[in-house]
Amino acid sequence: EAGVAQSPRYKIIEKRQSVAFWCNPISGHATLYWYQQILGQGPKLLIQFQNNGVVDDSQLPKDRFSAERLKGVDSTLKIQPAKLEDSAVYLCASSLYSGEPRGYTFGSGTRLTVV
Amino acid sequence: KQEVTQIPAALSVPEGENLVLNCSFTDSAIYNLQWFRQDPGKGLTSLLLIQSSQREQTSGRLNASLDKSSGRSTLYIAASQPGDSATYLCAVHGNNRLAFGKGNQVVVIP
Repeated sequence: EAGVAQSPRYKIIEKRQSVAFWCNPISGHATLYWYQQILGQGPKLLIQFQNNGVVDDSQLPKDRFSAERLKGVDSTLKIQPAKLEDSAVYLCASSLYSGEPRGYTFGSGTRLTVV
Repeated sequence: KQEVTQIPAALSVPEGENLVLNCSFTDSAIYNLQWFRQDPGKGLTSLLLIQSSQREQTSGRLNASLDKSSGRSTLYIAASQPGDSATYLCAVHGNNRLAFGKGNQVVVIP
């Protein structure tokens, strides 16, 4: 089966600019997650979708970050405006459903550098 | 809130030695525990998944144990190779959330 696809792989932007990341989960996976991983840290959950509804966005900085999952498949994460501290790898993951015993599958991530 | 700790944060071993990586977690009410490998600047590759009812899982040179009651998991890598150099992340799945440790950064010296 195809894995979780993410694009772009790398992005460099200036602070105060906008950026968007795209994720295509594994076909049939109802649950989709966006994680932020700052260098030297473990990934931190930003937002979790169940189909096209938000389950958990408690750690999403909503003043600058937004995410959507149209039609319960692909998802886009946007940052507007970006800050220097947003430099991180943004990881997308999917699972059949929340609590799926077979675990999560992660994409390769998007490395964002804000200068 | 689930807290996941990985010790040691970094280690270097000569090629051929066995690796022992430790993970501890504070809330024993978990669905499962997953070990991932991450190469620099890359995404996460799942290595082993242990269900909450299991005690261990094995895949090739890798073996992971789980002691839910004490909140611990250990990843063993037998006969380490330079290609095993990477960061290993422990993730605990519970309460509809996957909580990660900061990782064990491993360097295997040829």
